[in-house]
Amino acid sequence: ENVLTQSPGTLSLSPGERATLSCRASQSVSSYYLAWYQQKPGQAPRLLIYGASSRATGIPDRFSGSGSGTDFTLTISRLAPEDFAVYYCQQFGSSPITFGQGTRLEIK
Amino acid sequence: EVELVESGGGLVQPGGSLRLSCAASGFAFSSYWMYWVRQAPGKGLVWVSHISPDGDTTTYADSVQGRFTISRDNAQNILYLQMNSLRAEDTAVYYCTRTTFDYWGQGTLVTVSS
Repeated sequence: ENVLTQSPGTLSLSPGERATLSCRASQSVSSYYLAWYQQKPGQAPRLLIYGASSRATGIPDRFSGSGSGTDFTLTISRLAPEDFAVYYCQQFGSSPITFGQGTRLEIK
Repeated sequence: EVELVESGGGLVQPGGSLRLSCAASGFAFSSYWMYWVRQAPGKGLVWVSHISPDGDTTTYADSVQGRFTISRDNAQNILYLQMNSLRAEDTAVYYCTRTTFDYWGQGTLVTVSS
């Protein structure tokens, strides 16, 4: 099983600041199979990034993804009030499909 | 507009059964792999199962293998998850999603408790 470890567990920042979230895989992941999601309380996950670096439809350009192999990063360039949520990375290149444990982005 | 709507959740006793449904609309359902993902209260996302477009290939997480069965009706555009021998640890919101993971249903809550 390809274990995804996200860090930090919680990130406390202020609106307007830059957020950098990490996702490290225990085995190499093809970039095509790496995605990032945002989830707010009581809502379904929302796809932000697919293919490690491509923004999903309707996602603001302040969100960007990068990385390859075992190390991937989600960056939010300037935090908006609506960006405070939980973020998950996911790999679906090998079975079982796995998700990271999540990073909670909270208002400082 | 793409829409996925889950139903069938509820309260069930340990050892009981439930069948979840996911009604799909707005896209070519029969062309997509479909997935079930669950989320226990206050916890993260966990993949449960997926099924090929024609229904011939199914895959399950070890935790549900032998107890859950995924299936689909491409004529009615419905995805199913038959859940048997339910355990307390199966308590979760169950989401359906499609191949590209770009659309998710709103989820249906399954609670296993006596």
